[in-house]
Amino acid sequence: EDQVTQSPEALRLQEGESSSLNCSYTVSGLRGLFWYRQDPGKGPEFLFTLYSAGEEKEKERLKATLTKKESFLHITAPKPEDSATYLCAVQAGYSTLTFGKGTMLLVSP
Amino acid sequence: DSGVTQTPKHLITATGQRVTLRCSPRSGDLSVYWYQQSLDQGLQFLIQYYNGEERAKGNILERFSAQQFPDLHSELNLSSLELGDSALYFCASSVGPGTQETQYFGPGTRLLVL
Repeated sequence: EDQVTQSPEALRLQEGESSSLNCSYTVSGLRGLFWYRQDPGKGPEFLFTLYSAGEEKEKERLKATLTKKESFLHITAPKPEDSATYLCAVQAGYSTLTFGKGTMLLVSP
Repeated sequence: DSGVTQTPKHLITATGQRVTLRCSPRSGDLSVYWYQQSLDQGLQFLIQYYNGEERAKGNILERFSAQQFPDLHSELNLSSLELGDSALYFCASSVGPGTQETQYFGPGTRLLVL
């Protein structure tokens, strides 16, 4: 059974204080690892897809990396508008997505 | 805006009732997915349809059913509702199997069962 564990559950940062969110996974035959951002009461917003170990993708202050066992979402110099819950999901073979429970990020001014 | 639309945005109903949630996928997407999100469970996959056919089933209760119509919109039917069914229900769409599988989510329907 595919498993996704995200840590920490919650993270509070000061504006400008860089940090990383972790997503550990157990899956047979990873087809893709996905990062989403979710604001309260809204639908998840797609951020990145990573397909193979060593791959990296960047978007503004966010950078996602992938190893064979985990993925990191690095947030550089965050701003209050980066506050949200960040969700990680894995896809194995042609199966559907398995989501982690997310990391709730709060960035204070 | 992901291009996925869901109606209604909010739904308040009583235990034992039946409701229907509607989803229209992004233009060109053939796959539709339904998810349930509650505070303690996170995002749970319910069911997937591809071009009108059921393709995958997750943790969907027997009281719940779905279908995808020829115009590719989908409906999720929830019956004999219980208090524990209160949750956010999301629809997502993707191009389809064999191609890029990124799922794009709609804004959700918040269901409250009283």
